[in-house]
Amino acid sequence: NAGVMQNPRHLVRRRGQEARLRCSPMKGHSHVYWYRQLPEEGLKFMVYLQKENIIDESGMPKERFSAEFPKEGPSILRIQQVVRGDSAAYFCASSPGLLNYEWQYFGPGTRLTVT
Amino acid sequence: AQKITQTQPGMFVQEKEAVTLDCTYDTSDPSYGLFWYKQPSSGEMIFLIYQGSYDQQNATEGRYSLNFQKARKSANLVISASQLGDSAMYFCAMREAETSGSRLTFGEGTQLTVNP
Repeated sequence: NAGVMQNPRHLVRRRGQEARLRCSPMKGHSHVYWYRQLPEEGLKFMVYLQKENIIDESGMPKERFSAEFPKEGPSILRIQQVVRGDSAAYFCASSPGLLNYEWQYFGPGTRLTVT
Repeated sequence: AQKITQTQPGMFVQEKEAVTLDCTYDTSDPSYGLFWYKQPSSGEMIFLIYQGSYDQQNATEGRYSLNFQKARKSANLVISASQLGDSAMYFCAMREAETSGSRLTFGEGTQLTVNP
C-alpha cells in the first residue's frame, strides 16, 4: 500500500545544471500536482497533470521549468539551467481524479539545493 | 489579497493543554474545501483534517477539530491535549471548486512548539 513516492529525496546541483524530479502517484491515482516550498514559506502550486495531459500550469515559471506525466512511468518535473533561487522543497501530490474528490495525498518531497 | 491568512508565525503551548491555530480565508466561490496539514521537521506533509463549505457540522479527527465559522471566513484548528510530538509547522489550505479547480492554496504556516 505504497503512498506517493518521490525521488530523489535530496538533490544537489550546480548552477546551470539540469534537475529532474520524479513522482510516482499512489496506485490508482491518475492526477498529479506539483508544489514548491521556498525556505520559510508555504507551498505554492506549480502544475496539475493527468496522464499525458497538462491541465493547469498557471503556477509554473515561464522559463526553464517543464512537467510531464507520461502514459507509463512517473511524473517528471524538469528544471533546466538551475539557479540558486530554485533551491526549495518540491512536493508532489496525487488524487484519483474522481469528480468532487477533495483529498490530495502528498509525497515526502525532494529537497533541491543549488550550489 | 491573500487567499489564506495565518496570522500566528509562532505559537507555544504547554504539554496536555489545548491550542488554537488561526486561519482566515478569502473566496467568492460558493463551493470550497478547507484543509489543515502538519509538517514536522522531517519535512513531509501530513493531512490532518478537512472541512467542506457545505458541511453543517465542524470536522473532528481524534484530537483535532476545526472551528468553522463560515460568516467570518475562519477555519481555526484546535488541538486538544497537546503532545510533544505535535511540535511542527501547521498549514491551512483551501481548494476553490470553481475558481481554482483542483489546486490547493496554502497559508504561510504557524510554527507550533509544545513545551514539556
